Amino acid sequence: QVQVVQSGAEVKKPGSSVKVSCKTSGVPFSSDFISWVRQAPGQGLEWMGRIIPMFGTTNYAQKFQGRVTLSADESTTTAYMDLSSLSSEDTAVYYCAREGRQDKAMVFDLWGQGTPVTVSS
Amino acid sequence: DIQMTQSPSTLSASLGDRVTITCRASQSISSWLAWYQQKPGKPPKLLIYKASRLESGVPSRFSGSGSGTEFTLTIINLQPEDFATYYCQQSNTYATFGQGTKVEIK
Repeated sequence: QVQVVQSGAEVKKPGSSVKVSCKTSGVPFSSDFISWVRQAPGQGLEWMGRIIPMFGTTNYAQKFQGRVTLSADESTTTAYMDLSSLSSEDTAVYYCAREGRQDKAMVFDLWGQGTPVTVSS
Repeated sequence: DIQMTQSPSTLSASLGDRVTITCRASQSISSWLAWYQQKPGKPPKLLIYKASRLESGVPSRFSGSGSGTEFTLTIINLQPEDFATYYCQQSNTYATFGQGTKVEIK
């Protein structure tokens, strides 16, 4: 059974960091890109970056360079997104999503359920 | 960065209607354009990729067209489950999404 399950909701203080996990099952993990996309309340979708677990290769959106770190554990088929120096503007639902291949490169055909992150003092 | 602009932001329609949503890219993206549907509290769902290719399991009342910088998503015979927000996304250079179009009941 194909599943993408993310970790639960987080509440963080400004200036702190958050780490969200994304566990996949029933699909190839190591050879597929996993992207992270966030959605602020009532807003649109924003791509943050991606990782291919097999090689550990990452690409980050310029906006998040230096503040986001993507990682993956092939043994547990789990990807992670670590976002530091949090501010209220980082309050959002964070999604992981599997990219398709070939004609679906950089297209997200399988999504996690989302992890709400609230940044508040 | 490639910017994506959708119009309209909100669209009011009735059951059975035909609706069209437009997405414009700030530079040519060939056919590297995807469309998603999102309902409240849920992740987006892929509908169309490479501008016009229907994702498996998506009803044929959804269709996409366009290339270069201008694209459209068309829904014919609008059904109750189609009332949602729709996003375009360029996949030419990483990923950028449009701001979304909410299809609401007239």
